[in-house]
Amino acid sequence: QQQVKQSPQSLIVQKGGISIINCAYENTAFDYFPWYQQFPGKGPALLIAIRPDVSEKKEGRFTISFNKSAKQFSLHIMDSQPGDSATYFCAASIGQGGSEKLVFGKGTKLTVNP
Amino acid sequence: NAGVTQTPKFRVLKTGQSMTLLCAQDMNHEYMYWYRQDPGMGLRLIHYSVGEGTTAKGEVPDGYNVSRLKKQNFLLGLESAAPSQTSVYFCASRPGLAGNNEQFFGPGTRLTVL
Repeated sequence: QQQVKQSPQSLIVQKGGISIINCAYENTAFDYFPWYQQFPGKGPALLIAIRPDVSEKKEGRFTISFNKSAKQFSLHIMDSQPGDSATYFCAASIGQGGSEKLVFGKGTKLTVNP
Repeated sequence: NAGVTQTPKFRVLKTGQSMTLLCAQDMNHEYMYWYRQDPGMGLRLIHYSVGEGTTAKGEVPDGYNVSRLKKQNFLLGLESAAPSQTSVYFCASRPGLAGNNEQFFGPGTRLTVL
C-alpha cells in the first residue's frame, strides 16, 4: 500500500531526445507527487511536483503527467541535455498537516549522451 | 543561507562503535527528517521530527536514535554500529506551512562500518 514503483532503473538517451520515467502507486490516499533530481555526491533536490487535481504540470523542459485512474505518474524531459544526467526519484505522500512522510521510488539513473 | 548542512561528510567506523551525525538548518523549518540511501533502494526514512522536542519513527528506525533539542538541529545516533548500517545518510527539512511539502536535503554523510 505504501510502495511507489519506479521504472526503468536506468535510461540512456541521446542529446535532444525525450526521457520518460514512470511511477505507479497503490495507495489512493496519496495526494502529493514530487520528482527529485540527484547529482552524484549531492543531496536530492525537488524538480517538479503535482497534486492529483490536475493531469499535467509543465515547468520548462520537465513535465509530469498524472493518471489518477491508472494510479500512475510519469516524468518527461524534453530536449534532454547532458546536464540532465542524474538520478531521478519519484515520491508520494499523504496529507498536508505536517505528519506526512514521503515514500520514494528506487530511482532511475539517466544518462544523456552528447 | 547555508541551507541544510551535515557533519561529518565521511566516516569509517568499526563494528560496535558509536557515533552521532549532526544535521543543521538555518531556514527556521519546523520539520526535519533522516533518510538512508542504499544502491537500488531509493531513500528510506529512518526518523523524523515535526518540531523541537518531538521525534517519531520512520520506515527503518531499528539501530538508530534521534534527538531534536533545538529547532535548527536534528541528531542521528548509532549506539552500536553494524555493517548493515553502511550507507549514505541524508538529512532534510521543510517548512511548517500547510500545502508546502518541499523537502530540502543536505549533502549527505557517507558512513562505512567495517
